[in-house]
Amino acid sequence: GAVVSQHPSRVICKSGTSVKIECRSLDFQATTMFWYRQFPKQSLMLMATSNEGSKATYEQGVEKDKFLINHASLTLSTLTVTSAHPEDSSFYICSAESPGGYGYTFGSGTRLTVV
Amino acid sequence: GEDVEQSLFLSVREGDSSVINCTYTDSSSTYLYWYKQEPGAGLQLLTYIFSNMDMKQDQRLTVLLNKKDKHLSLRIADTQTGDSAIYFCAESRNTGRRALTFGSGTRLQVQP
Repeated sequence: GAVVSQHPSRVICKSGTSVKIECRSLDFQATTMFWYRQFPKQSLMLMATSNEGSKATYEQGVEKDKFLINHASLTLSTLTVTSAHPEDSSFYICSAESPGGYGYTFGSGTRLTVV
Repeated sequence: GEDVEQSLFLSVREGDSSVINCTYTDSSSTYLYWYKQEPGAGLQLLTYIFSNMDMKQDQRLTVLLNKKDKHLSLRIADTQTGDSAIYFCAESRNTGRRALTFGSGTRLQVQP
């Protein structure tokens, strides 16, 4: 089946630094990918919709300059957390619409800890 | 209020059936999904149902949809300890954004 590869799975960084998370569709093309954030014991909250070749669409309350999204090819979307702070610590998950139009395939997630 | 609601916790004994419930508010929902999340992992699609269907069965999983009441349920037969996880229902819509809207998740605990 369709596979979405997300890296890194876990990252610890210092406050003020930037972290890049990659989301790659391995065996299909994804013109649209979605980035979610999940706090402990909570649901997934959509952060932004990543569109290949155009600007991402951000949800209300999500800072565009802090969470930079780039979708430069049909198989790769990246999320860069800039000038990270401890409150950015969270679980970030990407997804893409599965080929055939049924369901969405999710990456394995990235646990970000900012110290 | 929330667009998609679920109870937070369910505990069952191994071998029993588990029923996880979900309610949603948007009548334009096209597909409804059940995902499973194990600790520290991404989401695994378990099953989905199209909004014009009432029931779908796939091995141990049975999905029931009451479109009138906007109620969705997932029944897991012969629940095993490996089924312990968080289960999310989610909906996709005909209008507006294409991303899924998730419920709060139900933590299923299976006791030996």
